[in-house]
Amino acid sequence: GDSVTQMEGPVTLSEEAFLTINCTYTATGYPSLFWYVQYPGEGLQLLLKATKADDKGSNKGFEATYRKETTSFHLEKGSVQVSDSAVYFCALGPQGGSEKLVFGKGTKLTVNP
Amino acid sequence: DAEITQSPRHKITETGRQVTLACHQTWNHNNMFWYRQDLGHGLRLIHYSYGVHDTNKGEVSDGYSVSRSNTEDLPLTLESAASSQTSVYFCASSESGRQETQYFGPGTRLLVL
Repeated sequence: GDSVTQMEGPVTLSEEAFLTINCTYTATGYPSLFWYVQYPGEGLQLLLKATKADDKGSNKGFEATYRKETTSFHLEKGSVQVSDSAVYFCALGPQGGSEKLVFGKGTKLTVNP
Repeated sequence: DAEITQSPRHKITETGRQVTLACHQTWNHNNMFWYRQDLGHGLRLIHYSYGVHDTNKGEVSDGYSVSRSNTEDLPLTLESAASSQTSVYFCASSESGRQETQYFGPGTRLLVL
């Protein structure tokens, strides 16, 4: 079945460091791909998405490119801030008549000043 | 602004009691979802609905039920609360379609003693 694998972490970085969180997927079709972020004590919110191969989603300095050939959607940011400390979830979008998302297990990021 | 709300935000109950968690969205979305979030398990889907009077079981539906009598609300009922149901519960909603984002509520933290 469809699945998402992301690095589990936790990941601890210093402010202004480069961030990569790996995400790979298995899918029978061609789903949209999403990154969600969960700040402490809050619900998940959409960070960025890409709807087809080679699309790049971007938001708040974060980027991810839909790579069909490597079935990946890695999240990157060039210079993290303390305020980026959160849990990040990669997800496969709805497909095949289902409206459900398939989530990875989440990666906790802590950024120290 | 459209939003999705959950109540209560925190709940303490005893084993064996029936508990209902409320979810209300003003997006006018057809799709609504209930998840639980536990350390080490990420997000797990409990139940979901694609419209009024439609309900479906997710991957961890045992001990839970939902009903959808209108577009805006999808209450989650724990028939007889168990300590294993101590968790954080999130409701989400979305429009139909492969590109559509799920919007999450702020969560309900439930403790079953």
